[in-house]
Amino acid sequence: DTGVSQDPRHKITKRGQNVTFRCDPISEHNRLYWYRQTLGQGPEFLTYFQNEAQLEKSRLLSDRFSAERPKGSFSTLEIQRTEQGDSAMYLCASSLGGPANYGYTFGSGTRLTVV
Amino acid sequence: KNQVEQSPQSLIILEGKNCTLQCNYTVSPFSNLRWYKQDTGRGPVSLTIMTFSENTKSNGRYTATLDADTKQSSLHITASQLSDSASYICVVGGGYQKVTFGTGTKLQVIP
Repeated sequence: DTGVSQDPRHKITKRGQNVTFRCDPISEHNRLYWYRQTLGQGPEFLTYFQNEAQLEKSRLLSDRFSAERPKGSFSTLEIQRTEQGDSAMYLCASSLGGPANYGYTFGSGTRLTVV
Repeated sequence: KNQVEQSPQSLIILEGKNCTLQCNYTVSPFSNLRWYKQDTGRGPVSLTIMTFSENTKSNGRYTATLDADTKQSSLHITASQLSDSASYICVVGGGYQKVTFGTGTKLQVIP
């Protein structure tokens, strides 16, 4: 197991286009999280899954954002009709249990630039 | 509202020098506190974790302290190296498995 993998590492897209990111968590981890991070800020929570169930979504996750984890393994995060304000690093993390007790293992992130 | 504040926001030090980063929190109830290191363009990696009963934890040249009474933590880096250049994020675990992230301290170590 090589840790949490995210693909792509970088994505440049034109405003209004749709983008999709993929995250492959550590296989034993049943919890998967998506965070967004802008320059000079800490990660902001977007959503999390326990197995295939999406249990919590942040108010930051507008209607243009959708996340799935269809088989309880990998997850995808889709942003529709991208806006310049969506430019950020999108981090995926997985955890064996509750993050307060078990901590996170983060992927290297997907850097999105909307032009 | 649960908050985690870190200082300084950024710091530049000479290679070989020591430095201390601060984290103040208002998370309640408190579960634990972690320090993460985030290299540029990478995800955060855990350095240390401390619970309520622990007041110091070391990981190589990194030493974290925790004062649960004053709700303060510090991360001390000894004999800094160029590879220590990164952002350091304080993350506090609270009730119901909620975590609160600080905004980080960006450290630059120069030769």
